[in-house]
Amino acid sequence: GEDVEQSLFLSVREGDSSVINCTYTDSSSTYLYWYKQEPGAGLQLLTYIFSNMDMKQDQRLTVLLNKKDKHLSLRIADTQTGDSAIYFCAENNYGQNFVFGPGTRLSVLP
Amino acid sequence: NAGVTQTPKFQVLKTGQSMTLQCAQDMNHNSMYWYRQDPGMGLRLIYYSASEGTTDKGEVPNGYNVSRLNKREFSLRLESAAPSQTSVYFCASSVTWGSREEQYFGPGTRLTVT
Repeated sequence: GEDVEQSLFLSVREGDSSVINCTYTDSSSTYLYWYKQEPGAGLQLLTYIFSNMDMKQDQRLTVLLNKKDKHLSLRIADTQTGDSAIYFCAENNYGQNFVFGPGTRLSVLP
Repeated sequence: NAGVTQTPKFQVLKTGQSMTLQCAQDMNHNSMYWYRQDPGMGLRLIYYSASEGTTDKGEVPNGYNVSRLNKREFSLRLESAAPSQTSVYFCASSVTWGSREEQYFGPGTRLTVT
């Protein structure tokens, strides 16, 4: 079945850029998503990218999609302590269920 | 507009006890979901309901039952809790914009089975 992989941990210094990576197996994915989970809370949609795009920018967030390699990344510029959270990559094909990765725990060091 | 709400927030059960996790959404969404979240495993789909009156199994349905009571409410029942069901449970609802689906999550229920 479909699978989504992410590294489990990432530490960065405040003010640096963070890059969270994700690989997926379903080449027919229509949309790919990034969700953020803060401690004790549910997941919140951060951003998404349509599968025929290769980049999307939204303020401090940049999503890059390499469809050939099935690789998705989320770059957070000027990372702040409030960005400390778990980030989930997810893929979805229209009419089918979401498949989530295991989540990357981002720690921002002062 | 509260979004997706879940009760309770925390629960401790003994092995063999039963309980129902409640979920409600006020966004008039057709589709609702129950996920469990375990460390290093991401979210796994337990059951989903594409519309009022329908429910379907997800990836890990064993040991659970669901009821789509009406369009707003989707409950998850554990008939005989087991320690393997210790997890954080999330309810979600979704809306579709063309070919894109957007899921909204509740705050979660942290369940411990001893």
